[in-house]
Amino acid sequence: GAGVSQSPSNKVTEKGKDVELRCDPISGHTALYWYRQSLGQGLEFLIYFQGNSAPDKSGLPSDRFSAERTGGSVSTLTIQRTQQEDSAVYLCASRPNTGELFFGEGSRLTVL
Amino acid sequence: TQLLEQSPQFLSIQEGENLTVYCNSSSVFSSLQWYRQEPGEGPVLLVTVVTGGEVKKLKRLTFQFGDARKDSSLHITAAQPGDTGLYLCAGYFTRTASKLTFGTGTRLQVTL
Repeated sequence: GAGVSQSPSNKVTEKGKDVELRCDPISGHTALYWYRQSLGQGLEFLIYFQGNSAPDKSGLPSDRFSAERTGGSVSTLTIQRTQQEDSAVYLCASRPNTGELFFGEGSRLTVL
Repeated sequence: TQLLEQSPQFLSIQEGENLTVYCNSSSVFSSLQWYRQEPGEGPVLLVTVVTGGEVKKLKRLTFQFGDARKDSSLHITAAQPGDTGLYLCAGYFTRTASKLTFGTGTRLQVTL
């Protein structure tokens, strides 16, 4: 596709369940980012990939959060044993070598 | 930890009014970007500023980068309802930085 694609767009889960969020970046973009946004506030950095490696994962809030990227393309953010405070919109963005980030529309996660 | 503070957090104005949004940090930016986000969508880049004192104009929007590269402002002239959205500043703190740190956001509402 022409833009960054994220799925699912909406996810409702019960506390304690695991969830996977997927991001398809723009073809050829080497960098991929995950951010979290709560209640229309600013974006909280989670993790950055360059190719398949993650040189900066400093924003992951706990060891329940993990992410991987395969083939220099698709990335998956996994949240284990979800908690209510994990409810947020999870945004993925990709970037060519330099410059702006191109964002997907986000995955809205609601933990009941 | 590098923080970007934006002010005001929320602004409600009438069509035709002027406004200014501020973005401040205690650290020096290598470069700074402004994004606008509309409900249900990801942020979209408006401008990138790199040089201290730089001023860029985008139609009715004027962006300024502080001389010391620690602050920036966004001025909108004669606001229109289409300007409604969440405005986010975001900065790279070193030239080789991979992590783009976002500000706290300013929610603008322009009414008729």
